[in-house]
Amino acid sequence: DAKTTQPPSMDCAEGRAANLPCNHSTISGNEYVYWYRQIHSQGPQYIIHGLKNNETNEMASLIITEDRKSSTLILPHATLRDTAVYYCIVRDRIYNQGGKLIFGQGTELSVKP
Amino acid sequence: GAVVSQHPSRVICKSGTSVKIECRSLDFQATTMFWYRQFPKQSLMLMATSNEGSKATYEQGVEKDKFLINHASLTLSTLTVTSAHPEDSSFYICSARPGQAYNEKLFFGSGTQLSVL
Repeated sequence: DAKTTQPPSMDCAEGRAANLPCNHSTISGNEYVYWYRQIHSQGPQYIIHGLKNNETNEMASLIITEDRKSSTLILPHATLRDTAVYYCIVRDRIYNQGGKLIFGQGTELSVKP
Repeated sequence: GAVVSQHPSRVICKSGTSVKIECRSLDFQATTMFWYRQFPKQSLMLMATSNEGSKATYEQGVEKDKFLINHASLTLSTLTVTSAHPEDSSFYICSARPGQAYNEKLFFGSGTQLSVL
């Protein structure tokens, strides 16, 4: 699976949009981009995933560049409860050894009042 | 969404004893479950893939005789840390994949904090 690069930390003001970037320049055509987050001392929580089209759900939006080499997770109105480590993960949709997810270092997002 | 229950949430044990952690999928059947461990300030590290009715597949560097995994039913996988030592103290997290498709998203348990004295 392709490797991802994320900034180690980011700050965001409460109520503003949080834009979390992820670089996956070696992504292949069969690989999805997944986003999970982990609030301190809890298990990771699924946020969103996509292949090449932009995606939106009740939690966030995922913007994938046309060349698919990078993506941005957008939390439209960040709240204090969104403070967490956000992981961007690339996973092959077919050849992923049972569907396992390999976590990188993630971005620690701090939402401040 | 799908719920994965992990028990216990916290356990303290003496060095040399064994500890069993349970991972249950509450509202779906999980042919495949995954076990991770996480040290403070670090990311999740995949330990093994657990398949119902067959032997687990361990990641490189993970001792299969120390971390015993049993996946006897479609809703339950267990991780037993045998002869635990202080260096095994960590946050253990399981996840489960509903459905057969490999691109199904995974759902995670809430984790087990193991402290070995």
